[in-house]
Amino acid sequence: AQKVTQAQTEISVVEKEDVTLDCVYETRDTTYYLFWYKQPPSGELVFLIRRNSFDEQNEISGRYSWNFQKSTSSFNFTITASQVVDSAVYFCALRSHGAGSYQLTFGKGTKLSVIP
Amino acid sequence: DSGVTQTPKHLITATGQRVTLRCSPRSGDLSVYWYQQSLDQGLQFLIQYYNGEERAKGNILERFSAQQFPDLHSELNLSSLELGDSALYFCASSVGTGGSGSGNTIYFGEGSWLTVV
Repeated sequence: AQKVTQAQTEISVVEKEDVTLDCVYETRDTTYYLFWYKQPPSGELVFLIRRNSFDEQNEISGRYSWNFQKSTSSFNFTITASQVVDSAVYFCALRSHGAGSYQLTFGKGTKLSVIP
Repeated sequence: DSGVTQTPKHLITATGQRVTLRCSPRSGDLSVYWYQQSLDQGLQFLIQYYNGEERAKGNILERFSAQQFPDLHSELNLSSLELGDSALYFCASSVGTGGSGSGNTIYFGEGSWLTVV
């Protein structure tokens, strides 16, 4: 069975602070894919990143960075110098390789509030 | 803009009624997925179609059904609606099935807000 845990339900930071959103996953598959999605107050789900299980290289995109560690089954997301526009619910998701595993398994989400 | 189009954006209906949600996938995407997002259940996978055929089923109620048409658009039919069906329904699409290990990114539409009163 697959499981994604986002232990932080809500986080509040002051603008320009750095913030890290935690994601821990469980899967028995050796090949899998991890995702982060952003859901702003308007409701849409916006794709942020996909990471393959065989690629542990960390990634940086502007103020966003992702730290993938297979040894701890974690895929954490850091926002540097947070801005009010970063306020949203962020979801971590897992998709395993193999027949029958077509869908994404989502965590419960972390609601980030950036205070001006 | 993800390229996935969902209509209607908002829908209010009464218990016992039936509604149809429509989705047009991104150009070139053959897979369509339906997800339900509710406050208590979070984001739940309902069903997936690939090139017109059902590929995977999740926690979809028997009162719900879906199909994907030859032009690849999809419809989710919700019948005998109950108050608990009020939720945000997402359609998503990807190029492949994911089962082949391609790990295709799944792009989501803006969702259809369904309120059952």
